[in-house]
Amino acid sequence: AQKITQTQPGMFVQEKEAVTLDCTYDTSDPSYGLFWYKQPSSGEMIFLIYQGSYDQQNATEGRYSLNFQKARKSANLVISASQLGDSAMYFCAMRDSNDYKLSFGAGTTVTVRA
Amino acid sequence: DAGVTQSPTHLIKTRGQQVTLRCSPISGHKSVSWYQQVLGQGPQFIFQYYEKEERGRGNFPDRFSARQFPNYSSELNVNALLLGDSALYLCASSQLAGVSEQYFGPGTRLTVT
Repeated sequence: AQKITQTQPGMFVQEKEAVTLDCTYDTSDPSYGLFWYKQPSSGEMIFLIYQGSYDQQNATEGRYSLNFQKARKSANLVISASQLGDSAMYFCAMRDSNDYKLSFGAGTTVTVRA
Repeated sequence: DAGVTQSPTHLIKTRGQQVTLRCSPISGHKSVSWYQQVLGQGPQFIFQYYEKEERGRGNFPDRFSARQFPNYSSELNVNALLLGDSALYLCASSQLAGVSEQYFGPGTRLTVT
């Protein structure tokens, strides 16, 4: 069974600083995808970044980068130059080749302070 | 291009009633998935449909059912509503049924009283 663990329930970060959100996962399938989503208070899940298990490079999308450490089964999200609009809940999710669903972690709330 | 759309935005129902939630995927996307998100938790998978066929089902009772139409839109039906069904129901679309990015709609917030 898949399992996603996000151990940080909440984090505070100063505006313009970087923040790292932790995510570890567990799967026996060699082919899988890792995703990060942002959920503002409005409720919509916004896709941020994707990392495939066979990708050699860490994924980057603008101010978002994914620190993928396959041996440690870790997929941490780094948000650089935090903005007030980054305040939201962030979810790590995984999907393997034998499954049709995304399995989500419990989420981390990020609050950016001015 | 329009994103994933869901209707209604909010819904209040009474225990024992039935509810139908609707979702239209991104143009060109053939797969639709439904998730339930209870307050304070991550979303839980309910169903996935691809090319009008059910491809996956989560650990939900038979009170939950869904279908996908020829235009790839989808409906989620929940019968005999319980207080515990109160949640945000999210629809996600993707081009394929396999490992690919899923894009979520704004959700339908269901309150059961």
